[in-house]
Amino acid sequence: GAVVSQHPSRVICKSGTSVKIECRSLDFQATTMFWYRQFPKKSLMLMATSNEGSKATYEQGVEKDKFLINHASLTLSTLTVTSAHPEDSSFYICSARDRYGPRVYEQYFGPGTRLTVT
Amino acid sequence: AQTVTQSQPEMSVQEAETVTLSCTYDTSENNYYLFWYKQPPSRQMILVIRQEAYKQQNATENRFSVNFQKAAKSFSLKISDSQLGDTAMYFCAFMKRYSGAGSYQLTFGKGTKLSVIP
Repeated sequence: GAVVSQHPSRVICKSGTSVKIECRSLDFQATTMFWYRQFPKKSLMLMATSNEGSKATYEQGVEKDKFLINHASLTLSTLTVTSAHPEDSSFYICSARDRYGPRVYEQYFGPGTRLTVT
Repeated sequence: AQTVTQSQPEMSVQEAETVTLSCTYDTSENNYYLFWYKQPPSRQMILVIRQEAYKQQNATENRFSVNFQKAAKSFSLKISDSQLGDTAMYFCAFMKRYSGAGSYQLTFGKGTKLSVIP
């Protein structure tokens, strides 16, 4: 149980275009989802926290107009990188929390999405 | 704000031997969770072990155990009988327990790259 999927696993886009990454909880209701960014050989940096049906809360330094997060349902959150540039190339990971599960503290992680902007 | 420090960027251990990864943290909170996550080359984040701050007993999960020293704000991970499959990045993480802003958010250390040598 508690599986989180991400789609796509890899994406290459041209500079100036937008790309959407989906994060789905497959067998539980994810009342809270988190988006992280991970640079090569670096740690995970929290970008934003999204609660179903409300606006995402962005961490300091993260451009909310560039990284659009939508958490429209209890099983789906999307991250859209708008007007992507090469410096946005990174590994993006989502995680989800099951508010009603036996382990309310646990975050279940997706497999990640590698974004390359050319 | 919380900080998590992992002072060992890289470590290696012989197969079947024991290794200890160190982690210290800084917080003014009294109720929190501490975690060790494993990120193998696939980059899928895997929860290894969890410790609740109010519990004095150290957590254990099969070959993995922690040494939790609350007063010293230290949380080390011991891996016994190391296996080749243990080769991965290991991240120590802090989570403030519920209530208020930032609840259930993970703060990660920079990671320790562990290599198990045959």
